[in-house]
Amino acid sequence: ETGVTQSPTHLIKTRGQQVTLRCSSQSGHNTVSWYQQALGQGPQFIFQYYREEENGRGNFPPRFSGLQFPNYSSELNVNALELDDSALYLCASSLVGNYGYTFGSGTRLTVV
Amino acid sequence: DQQVKQNSPSLSVQEGRISILNCDYTNSMFDYFLWYKKYPAEGPTFLISISSIKDKNEDGRFTVFLNKSAKHLSLHIVPSQPGDSAVYFCAASAEGSSNTGKLIFGQGTTLQVKP
Repeated sequence: ETGVTQSPTHLIKTRGQQVTLRCSSQSGHNTVSWYQQALGQGPQFIFQYYREEENGRGNFPPRFSGLQFPNYSSELNVNALELDDSALYLCASSLVGNYGYTFGSGTRLTVV
Repeated sequence: DQQVKQNSPSLSVQEGRISILNCDYTNSMFDYFLWYKKYPAEGPTFLISISSIKDKNEDGRFTVFLNKSAKHLSLHIVPSQPGDSAVYFCAASAEGSSNTGKLIFGQGTTLQVKP
């Protein structure tokens, strides 16, 4: 049973640029959620995808968007990067209706 | 508005003793609570959970207690082991059966277990 894998592990971008982060779900899981974890804080829910559609969204602006693919992998896209977007981005997969989330190790994004 | 709070940023305990990590919440609609453990350079891993219809759940060395009237939950680790040293996050959900994946996390407590 493979876990959740995220790529890349680290990324440096310039303010105003766009970034795409990738996530492969754990085998057998059909939902993907994305979280942002700022330094010294707990993860904050960005959104969840199920059946290739957004299934729930946290308090993040529209420049945060995502995709889920038929193989349940997912992308997180962030446009017009701001310095405050610097954080660890975590992907978590689960079976719909199940709280058994499996998290990936995250992508550390630095915006300069 | 911090709906889930872990007021102790850090905790240090001697090996073999009990570790008690605390969490307070403000939203009375939360109906499911979880504890996650996080090692450096790894994602959070699920530890134990409790439904709001229960006041205690036990799994080996880990026990979670829920006091709904006080809006407080705690994680007890007995006996504590050096390998338990990690950041512990409390998380809550108000999703009921809909489960859109939205967990509200606390800020985390760093536990250090000394040999």
